[in-house]
Amino acid sequence: NAGVTQTPKFRILKIGQSMTLQCTQDMNHNYMYWYRQDPGMGLKLIYYSVGAGITDKGEVPNGYNVSRSTTEDFPLRLELAAPSQTSVYFCASSRDRNTGELFFGEGSRLTVL
Amino acid sequence: RKEVEQDPGPFNVPEGATVAFNCTYSNSASQSFFWYRQDCRKEPKLLMSVYSSGNEDGRFTAQLNRASQYISLLIRDSKLSDSATYLCVVVSTDSWGKLQFGAGTQVVVTP
Repeated sequence: NAGVTQTPKFRILKIGQSMTLQCTQDMNHNYMYWYRQDPGMGLKLIYYSVGAGITDKGEVPNGYNVSRSTTEDFPLRLELAAPSQTSVYFCASSRDRNTGELFFGEGSRLTVL
Repeated sequence: RKEVEQDPGPFNVPEGATVAFNCTYSNSASQSFFWYRQDCRKEPKLLMSVYSSGNEDGRFTAQLNRASQYISLLIRDSKLSDSATYLCVVVSTDSWGKLQFGAGTQVVVTP
């Protein structure tokens, strides 16, 4: 059982470039999330989705976009990358909205130079 | 003020000793509480939920103090493999269930 899979694991971008972080889960979870984690900081919610076709902004959505065309996939798009987007990005999923158990992917380390 | 605050540590603990640390939260609408464990350069994983009456899971004990708005985690008989960062997570009723993560407390167990 793969759980939550993220790609790529590492990426270096130049300022102004765009890219998509891929996330897929095979647990049939309706709820999916994108977080970023900066050193010494807690995980910050970027976007979340409660099901296919439904997405909403989290705490720090600026500079990002998401889509949820299927239950399995929840890609995160970075437009016009900036150094402030250098971070570790985690995708996660959960069975329902009130559970405290999130299943995380292994993370994607992004550096913007 | 951060919604969820933790002492970043590190807590240096001899193998076999006991270590305890707290997490404070500011939102009185907080309803559910959890501890996650995050190994270096890995993803967070749920360690345990925190129940109102307190709960144990093997060598780990979690407590909730609603009056003072903090939760605690105690690790007994520390193992080298307990070295990790422990994240406090809070869920509030006024934010539909969005999890608020603390920045984590680092624990280093030494031989």
